Amino acid sequence: DIQLTQSPSFLSASVGDRVTITCRASQGINNYLAWYQQKPGKAPKLVIYAASTLQSGVPSRFSGSGSGTDFTLTISSLQPEDFATYYCQQVNTNLITFGQGTRLEIK
Amino acid sequence: QAELMESGGGLVKPGGSLRLSCAASGFSFSDYYMTWIRQAPGKGLEWVSYISSGSSIIYYADSVKGRFTISRDNAKKSLYLQMNSLRAEDTAVYYCARDSRFDAFDLWGQGTMLTVSA
Repeated sequence: DIQLTQSPSFLSASVGDRVTITCRASQGINNYLAWYQQKPGKAPKLVIYAASTLQSGVPSRFSGSGSGTDFTLTISSLQPEDFATYYCQQVNTNLITFGQGTRLEIK
Repeated sequence: QAELMESGGGLVKPGGSLRLSCAASGFSFSDYYMTWIRQAPGKGLEWVSYISSGSSIIYYADSVKGRFTISRDNAKKSLYLQMNSLRAEDTAVYYCARDSRFDAFDLWGQGTMLTVSA
């Protein structure tokens, strides 16, 4: 199975900061990578798919990049509503895996 | 608008069975692959199973293979997860989600909680 490792696991930042979360795959997955935002008690919400395509309705301060094994999610200027847990996810050889999550908290 | 709503969660004893349901509305259910994803309390997301639009393609995570069965009824716009031989480690919120065709899940239900405990 392909493992996804996110870093950092925890991130403390301030409103207005630029933050980057990394997701590394244990083997190449082309660009079949998605990012989700989850707030406490809520279902995850799709933010980015195909590594760099912004889901409809998601603010343009979110962006994704990468291919192969290394991917990043960047939030260009943090807003109060962005503080949440973020997960990466891949589909390869018909098995789906998620990263362990990155908790983004207000400093 | 498009919605998914899970039901059927509850408290079950180890070794017991339960069937979860997911009702879809507001979109052409029969056109989409569907999946079940779970989240144990305080933990991350774990994919459970997915099923193709016509039910011809089905995959399971190793952790549930042989115990869980995914199915769907396109006429009823419903997705199901039959869970047998339940274990304490199956305790989680179970979400159904729609595959957006880009190997990402663009529509999620609110989740239903399963607790496996004696």
